[in-house]
Amino acid sequence: KQEVTQIPAALSVPEGENLVLNCSFTDSAIYNLQWFRQDPGKGLTSLLLIQSSQREQTSGRLNASLDKSSGRSTLYIAASQPGDSATYLCAVFANSGGYQKVTFGTGTKLQVIP
Amino acid sequence: DTEVTQTPKHLVMGMTNKKSLKCEQHMGHRAMYWYKQKAKKPPELMFVYSYEKLSINESVPSRFSPECPNSSLLNLHLHALQPEDSALYLCASSHSSSGAVRGGDTQYFGPGTRLTVL
Repeated sequence: KQEVTQIPAALSVPEGENLVLNCSFTDSAIYNLQWFRQDPGKGLTSLLLIQSSQREQTSGRLNASLDKSSGRSTLYIAASQPGDSATYLCAVFANSGGYQKVTFGTGTKLQVIP
Repeated sequence: DTEVTQTPKHLVMGMTNKKSLKCEQHMGHRAMYWYKQKAKKPPELMFVYSYEKLSINESVPSRFSPECPNSSLLNLHLHALQPEDSALYLCASSHSSSGAVRGGDTQYFGPGTRLTVL
């Protein structure tokens, strides 16, 4: 059974700081890994999608890396802003019994202090 | 158009009410999903529809009844819910329920319906 863990569970940083969020998964037989952002009481906003053949993806101040062999992904946020405050979820996509199965991580709650 | 829409945004209902949640996508996706998310927890899969047929039911109580009238629309009918069913209900869609799309597949999520059961 796939287990996805995110560390830390919560993080508070001053504005402008660079930061790294971690995601680890136990089964490396995945075909995608995706990072989402979720604001309180809201749905999921997709940030970055990394296919299993890729090592990293970049979008603006965000950079996500994937190391399937070690079962790890990181989300790097440069020059953090108060608007980045949210919960960040990683999700791994795999085939299970012929069906697409998504396993979400436990989430990292980020607070960027002005 | 990469949008999944959900209505209503908020719903408050009593335990004896019957209500429905609606999800719609126009991306030509043939797989649609319902997730339930409790506060401070990750989303949990409830149902998977593939080509308008129910493929997966993750042991969800019968007071939740999904329906897929066509390839663009997914409903979740609610009846005799309990207060512990209060949660954010998320809908998602993808090209294929098997993920057998070249380069992999992903799910596009709607904004969710915040359900409160009194």
